[in-house]
Amino acid sequence: EPEVTQTPSHQVTQMGQEVILRCVPISNHLYFYWYRQILGQKVEFLVSFYNNEISEKSEIFDDQFSVERPDGSNFTLKIRSTKLEDSAMYFCASSEAQGGTDTQYFGPGTRLTVL
Amino acid sequence: GNSVTQMEGPVTLSEEAFLTINCTYTATGYPSLFWYVQYPGEGLQLLLKATKADDKGSNKGFEATYRKETTSFHLEKGSVQVSDSAVYFCALGRSNTGNQFYFGTGTSLTVIP
Repeated sequence: EPEVTQTPSHQVTQMGQEVILRCVPISNHLYFYWYRQILGQKVEFLVSFYNNEISEKSEIFDDQFSVERPDGSNFTLKIRSTKLEDSAMYFCASSEAQGGTDTQYFGPGTRLTVL
Repeated sequence: GNSVTQMEGPVTLSEEAFLTINCTYTATGYPSLFWYVQYPGEGLQLLLKATKADDKGSNKGFEATYRKETTSFHLEKGSVQVSDSAVYFCALGRSNTGNQFYFGTGTSLTVIP
């Protein structure tokens, strides 16, 4: 069964450093997403991406964040200058169709630790 | 706005016990409701969903009924197994507010033999 994959599973970085989290969505999906979960808190939406541009983003997704689909398979989240409060589990997801009613398929997550 | 409130865990049950994990939501109109499960080391997997009031989603012995009158979508299973040990997430989606899902905090379930 097709699945979303994410690398690395765990990333440790120093505050102020740039990190890139990578995702490979399901191959025939057209809509891509990033969510994050700070320990003990809710899973929060960051951004959605369609047709090579951001279709929606939350207040969390500020200028420190960017997303890219550099080729036909990868979808990346870049944090330019990490802060301690960026420590969280980051989930990538994809879906076939648009809209909050279509099933989103999630990857296993990348745990980001900022020291 | 839109939000989901989920029963806090962790929950520990003996095998074959009855499971209920409560989930209530706040939304205008008619959202779609989802339960996702995360097994250790894996991603969030869709467990079941319901797209309109009074719909019952079911899968692998789990059930949840979309109750608009109580704004709830409680997850139930009549007889849990050790293999059901996981974290369960309730989520809400609204097609007219974009693509994002609104999640609860997740409920960790441990089933002991």
